[in-house]
Amino acid sequence: NAGVTQTPKFRILKIGQSMTLQCTQDMNHNYMYWYRQDPGMGLKLIYYSVGAGITDKGEVPNGYNVSRSTTEDFPLRLELAAPSQTSVYFCASSYNGGWQETQYFGPGTRLLVL
Amino acid sequence: AQTVTQSQPEMSVQEAETVTLSCTYDTSESDYYLFWYKQPPSRQMILVIRQEAYKQQNATENRFSVNFQKAAKSFSLKISDSQLGDAAMYFCAYRSLDMNRDDKIIFGKGTRLHILP
Repeated sequence: NAGVTQTPKFRILKIGQSMTLQCTQDMNHNYMYWYRQDPGMGLKLIYYSVGAGITDKGEVPNGYNVSRSTTEDFPLRLELAAPSQTSVYFCASSYNGGWQETQYFGPGTRLLVL
Repeated sequence: AQTVTQSQPEMSVQEAETVTLSCTYDTSESDYYLFWYKQPPSRQMILVIRQEAYKQQNATENRFSVNFQKAAKSFSLKISDSQLGDAAMYFCAYRSLDMNRDDKIIFGKGTRLHILP
């Protein structure tokens, strides 16, 4: 299993541009999550999904959108990039079973908005 | 709201020695999960160890063990026989069992661990 994969690894955006961060997992996990990690800080939950077709907001959802059309994929969309969205983004997944399960993280996407 | 505090921004330990990383948290919930994650320079988050709050026995994974003090809301990580590969940022995390909460998992700010050869 490849686990959780994310693309791209690094991206530079101009203010106002849009992009989609891709996340795929091959572990047949129902739960998937998007986090951001700002320099010197812990992670903050942006959005999560408990299954295909179901998404919900986390702690910091403003400026982002997600979709979950399949179990494997959970893309994160930035519509109008802002400098405040400069961060490292982590996608994670967990096995069907809810919040008591271990989360498996992808390698992260570093985003710079100028 | 729950909080997770890691009071040591950086620590250093000699290779083969033992080091303990501190973590305290605040919650009004009686049941929850606690985790330690390792983030090496590659930036990937790796689960090191987890503890269920209802279990009194401290979790252990090879050279990694925790000292879980529920009443004191303390969850420290002990790394024995430190190795160069242990050098990383370590994050303590709290996970609520309440699915209605937006802040379902909360991370501390991290402790950067240096291993001295």
